[in-house]
Amino acid sequence: DSGVTQTPKHLITATGQRVTLRCSPRSGDLSVYWYQQSLDQGLQFLIQYYNGEERAKGNILERFSAQQFPDLHSELNLSSLELGDSALYFCASSESAFFSGRGTDTQYFGPGTRLTVL
Amino acid sequence: GQQVMQIPQYQHVQEGEDFTTYCNSSTTLSNIQWYKQRPGGHPVFLIQLVKSGEVKKQKRLTFQFGEAKKNSSLHITATQTTDVGTYFCAGPWGAGNMLTFGGGTRLMVKP
Repeated sequence: DSGVTQTPKHLITATGQRVTLRCSPRSGDLSVYWYQQSLDQGLQFLIQYYNGEERAKGNILERFSAQQFPDLHSELNLSSLELGDSALYFCASSESAFFSGRGTDTQYFGPGTRLTVL
Repeated sequence: GQQVMQIPQYQHVQEGEDFTTYCNSSTTLSNIQWYKQRPGGHPVFLIQLVKSGEVKKQKRLTFQFGEAKKNSSLHITATQTTDVGTYFCAGPWGAGNMLTFGGGTRLMVKP
Protein backbone atom coordinates (compact mmCIF):
# COMPACT_ATOMS: atom_id res chain seq x y z
CA ASP A 1 0.00 0.00 0.00
CA SER A 2 1.62 3.24 -1.18
CA GLY A 3 -0.57 5.50 0.95
CA VAL A 4 -1.98 7.20 -2.15
CA THR A 5 -5.69 6.65 -2.70
CA GLN A 6 -7.66 7.05 -5.89
CA THR A 7 -11.36 6.88 -6.53
CA PRO A 8 -13.19 5.45 -8.29
CA LYS A 9 -11.34 2.28 -9.19
CA HIS A 10 -13.33 1.76 -12.37
CA LEU A 11 -15.40 4.18 -14.42
CA ILE A 12 -17.48 3.36 -17.48
CA THR A 13 -19.06 6.21 -19.37
CA ALA A 14 -20.16 7.30 -22.81
CA THR A 15 -18.56 9.55 -25.39
CA GLY A 16 -19.22 13.21 -24.81
CA GLN A 17 -19.58 12.84 -21.08
CA ARG A 18 -17.55 14.42 -18.28
CA VAL A 19 -15.96 12.61 -15.34
CA THR A 20 -13.93 13.51 -12.28
CA LEU A 21 -11.15 11.38 -10.87
CA ARG A 22 -10.03 11.92 -7.31
CA CYS A 23 -6.67 11.43 -5.63
CA SER A 24 -5.51 11.77 -2.04
CA PRO A 25 -1.73 11.93 -1.66
CA ARG A 26 0.37 10.31 1.03
CA SER A 27 0.33 12.12 4.33
CA GLY A 28 2.92 14.89 4.19
CA ASP A 29 3.36 14.89 0.42
CA LEU A 30 2.75 18.25 -1.20
CA SER A 31 3.22 17.27 -4.86
CA VAL A 32 0.60 15.47 -6.88
CA TYR A 33 1.18 14.18 -10.41
CA TRP A 34 -1.32 12.78 -12.89
CA TYR A 35 -0.35 10.23 -15.53
CA GLN A 36 -2.21 8.48 -18.32
CA GLN A 37 -1.37 4.91 -19.29
CA SER A 38 -3.07 3.52 -22.37
CA LEU A 39 -3.24 -0.23 -23.01
CA ASP A 40 0.26 -1.66 -23.14
CA GLN A 41 1.68 1.82 -23.27
CA GLY A 42 4.06 3.74 -21.10
CA LEU A 43 3.23 6.47 -18.65
CA GLN A 44 2.39 9.85 -20.09
CA PHE A 45 2.78 12.77 -17.71
CA LEU A 46 -0.26 15.04 -17.67
CA ILE A 47 0.10 17.65 -14.94
CA GLN A 48 1.70 18.42 -11.58
CA TYR A 49 0.47 20.41 -8.61
CA TYR A 50 2.51 21.44 -5.61
CA ASN A 51 0.83 22.76 -2.49
CA GLY A 52 -2.21 23.90 -4.42
CA GLU A 53 -0.43 25.49 -7.38
CA GLU A 54 0.01 24.13 -10.88
CA ARG A 55 3.74 23.57 -11.41
CA ALA A 56 4.13 21.67 -14.65
CA LYS A 57 2.09 20.58 -17.63
CA GLY A 58 2.79 17.71 -19.93
CA ASN A 59 0.78 16.54 -22.91
CA ILE A 60 -2.55 17.29 -21.31
CA LEU A 61 -5.46 17.90 -23.64
CA GLU A 62 -7.45 21.11 -23.35
CA ARG A 63 -10.50 18.97 -22.54
CA PHE A 64 -8.72 17.87 -19.37
CA SER A 65 -8.15 19.99 -16.30
CA ALA A 66 -7.04 19.44 -12.75
CA GLN A 67 -6.83 21.17 -9.42
CA GLN A 68 -5.38 20.61 -5.98
CA PHE A 69 -7.40 21.64 -2.98
CA PRO A 70 -6.25 23.12 0.36
CA ASP A 71 -6.36 19.69 1.96
CA LEU A 72 -3.98 18.62 -0.85
CA HIS A 73 -6.28 16.14 -2.52
CA SER A 74 -6.49 16.55 -6.26
CA GLU A 75 -9.10 16.05 -8.93
CA LEU A 76 -8.63 15.41 -12.63
CA ASN A 77 -11.57 16.47 -14.77
CA LEU A 78 -12.01 14.90 -18.19
CA SER A 79 -14.70 16.36 -20.45
CA SER A 80 -16.13 15.73 -23.91
CA LEU A 81 -14.80 12.21 -23.59
CA GLU A 82 -13.70 10.31 -26.67
CA LEU A 83 -13.07 6.61 -27.19
CA GLY A 84 -9.34 7.29 -27.20
CA ASP A 85 -9.48 8.62 -23.65
CA SER A 86 -10.00 5.08 -22.38
CA ALA A 87 -6.96 4.38 -20.23
CA LEU A 88 -5.60 3.91 -16.74
CA TYR A 89 -5.14 7.20 -14.93
CA PHE A 90 -2.59 7.20 -12.14
CA CYS A 91 -2.00 9.76 -9.49
CA ALA A 92 1.36 9.92 -7.75
CA SER A 93 2.62 12.00 -4.88
CA SER A 94 6.00 13.05 -3.52
CA GLU A 95 7.36 15.31 -0.82
CA SER A 96 9.22 17.71 -3.05
CA ALA A 97 8.38 19.62 -6.21
CA PHE A 98 11.57 18.72 -8.04
CA PHE A 99 13.39 15.56 -9.02
CA SER A 100 16.73 16.74 -7.71
CA GLY A 101 18.17 13.38 -6.79
CA ARG A 102 17.40 13.54 -3.11
CA GLY A 103 15.28 11.03 -1.29
CA THR A 104 12.34 13.40 -1.11
CA ASP A 105 11.54 13.08 -4.80
CA THR A 106 10.43 9.45 -4.78
CA GLN A 107 7.03 9.17 -6.40
CA TYR A 108 4.40 6.98 -4.79
CA PHE A 109 1.68 5.86 -7.18
CA GLY A 110 -1.94 5.21 -6.36
CA PRO A 111 -3.79 2.12 -7.58
CA GLY A 112 -5.19 4.00 -10.58
CA THR A 113 -8.62 4.60 -12.07
CA ARG A 114 -9.52 2.56 -15.12
CA LEU A 115 -11.65 4.69 -17.44
CA THR A 116 -13.62 3.04 -20.21
CA VAL A 117 -15.38 5.27 -22.71
CA LEU A 118 -18.04 3.50 -24.78
CA GLY B 1 11.73 17.63 -25.77
CA GLN B 2 13.55 14.95 -23.89
CA GLN B 3 13.15 11.37 -25.03
CA VAL B 4 13.84 8.27 -22.99
CA MET B 5 14.05 5.01 -24.89
CA GLN B 6 14.06 1.53 -23.42
CA ILE B 7 15.03 -1.74 -25.01
CA PRO B 8 13.92 -4.38 -25.38
CA GLN B 9 10.18 -3.77 -25.36
CA TYR B 10 9.48 -7.38 -24.38
CA GLN B 11 11.63 -10.17 -23.00
CA HIS B 12 10.71 -13.79 -22.40
CA VAL B 13 13.14 -15.74 -20.23
CA GLN B 14 13.24 -19.14 -18.63
CA GLU B 15 13.24 -19.02 -14.85
CA GLY B 16 16.82 -18.87 -13.67
CA GLU B 17 18.11 -16.97 -16.69
CA ASP B 18 19.44 -13.44 -16.42
CA PHE B 19 17.66 -10.37 -17.76
CA THR B 20 18.81 -6.88 -18.69
CA THR B 21 16.89 -3.80 -19.78
CA TYR B 22 18.56 -0.70 -21.15
CA CYS B 23 17.51 2.90 -20.94
CA ASN B 24 18.85 5.71 -23.13
CA SER B 25 18.13 9.40 -22.85
CA SER B 26 18.47 12.02 -25.57
CA THR B 27 19.83 14.44 -22.96
CA THR B 28 22.11 14.24 -19.94
CA LEU B 29 20.15 13.37 -16.82
CA SER B 30 20.72 14.75 -13.34
CA ASN B 31 19.40 11.47 -11.97
CA ILE B 32 17.39 8.48 -13.07
CA GLN B 33 14.70 6.45 -11.37
CA TRP B 34 13.53 2.89 -11.95
CA TYR B 35 10.02 1.58 -11.34
CA LYS B 36 8.37 -1.83 -11.55
CA GLN B 37 4.75 -2.36 -12.47
CA ARG B 38 3.28 -5.80 -11.89
CA PRO B 39 0.48 -6.93 -14.23
CA GLY B 40 -2.70 -5.16 -13.14
CA GLY B 41 -0.80 -3.07 -10.62
CA HIS B 42 0.67 0.36 -10.28
CA PRO B 43 4.28 1.50 -10.69
CA VAL B 44 6.40 1.00 -7.63
CA PHE B 45 9.63 2.92 -7.07
CA LEU B 46 12.71 0.71 -7.06
CA ILE B 47 15.72 2.98 -6.93
CA GLN B 48 17.26 6.31 -7.87
CA LEU B 49 20.75 6.78 -9.30
CA VAL B 50 22.45 10.14 -9.11
CA LYS B 51 26.20 9.87 -9.67
CA SER B 52 28.02 9.24 -12.92
CA GLY B 53 29.00 5.57 -13.16
CA GLU B 54 26.98 4.70 -10.06
CA VAL B 55 26.15 1.04 -9.46
CA LYS B 56 23.60 -0.05 -6.89
CA LYS B 57 22.44 -3.52 -5.95
CA GLN B 58 19.21 -4.77 -4.46
CA LYS B 59 19.53 -8.52 -3.92
CA ARG B 60 19.43 -9.97 -7.45
CA LEU B 61 18.89 -6.57 -9.11
CA THR B 62 21.84 -4.44 -10.25
CA PHE B 63 21.30 -0.89 -11.45
CA GLN B 64 23.89 1.13 -13.32
CA PHE B 65 24.07 4.77 -14.38
CA GLY B 66 26.34 5.52 -17.32
CA GLU B 67 29.44 7.66 -17.10
CA ALA B 68 27.88 10.28 -19.36
CA LYS B 69 24.61 10.11 -17.38
CA LYS B 70 22.66 9.48 -20.56
CA ASN B 71 22.03 5.78 -20.13
CA SER B 72 21.21 3.28 -17.46
CA SER B 73 20.61 -0.42 -17.12
CA LEU B 74 18.85 -2.86 -14.84
CA HIS B 75 20.15 -6.40 -14.64
CA ILE B 76 18.35 -9.21 -12.87
CA THR B 77 20.36 -12.32 -12.03
CA ALA B 78 18.62 -15.69 -11.99
CA THR B 79 15.10 -14.48 -12.67
CA GLN B 80 12.18 -15.78 -10.65
CA THR B 81 8.47 -15.77 -11.47
CA THR B 82 8.05 -12.95 -8.97
CA ASP B 83 10.14 -10.73 -11.25
CA VAL B 84 7.36 -10.67 -13.85
CA GLY B 85 6.22 -7.17 -14.72
CA THR B 86 7.14 -4.06 -16.66
CA TYR B 87 10.25 -2.16 -15.70
CA PHE B 88 10.34 1.57 -16.41
CA CYS B 89 13.16 4.04 -16.20
CA ALA B 90 12.38 7.74 -15.78
CA GLY B 91 14.41 10.91 -15.92
CA PRO B 92 13.63 14.49 -14.89
CA TRP B 93 13.25 17.19 -17.51
CA GLY B 94 12.02 20.71 -17.94
CA ALA B 95 12.66 22.61 -14.74
CA GLY B 96 13.30 19.28 -13.05
CA ASN B 97 9.77 18.86 -11.83
CA MET B 98 8.57 16.44 -14.47
CA LEU B 99 9.56 12.87 -15.17
CA THR B 100 9.81 11.39 -18.62
CA PHE B 101 9.22 7.67 -18.52
CA GLY B 102 10.71 5.23 -20.95
CA GLY B 103 8.33 2.93 -22.78
CA GLY B 104 9.12 0.11 -20.38
CA THR B 105 10.40 -3.43 -20.78
CA ARG B 106 7.87 -6.15 -20.13
CA LEU B 107 9.50 -9.19 -18.56
CA MET B 108 7.83 -12.57 -18.76
CA VAL B 109 9.33 -15.53 -16.91
CA LYS B 110 8.54 -19.12 -17.81
CA PRO B 111 8.67 -21.48 -14.83
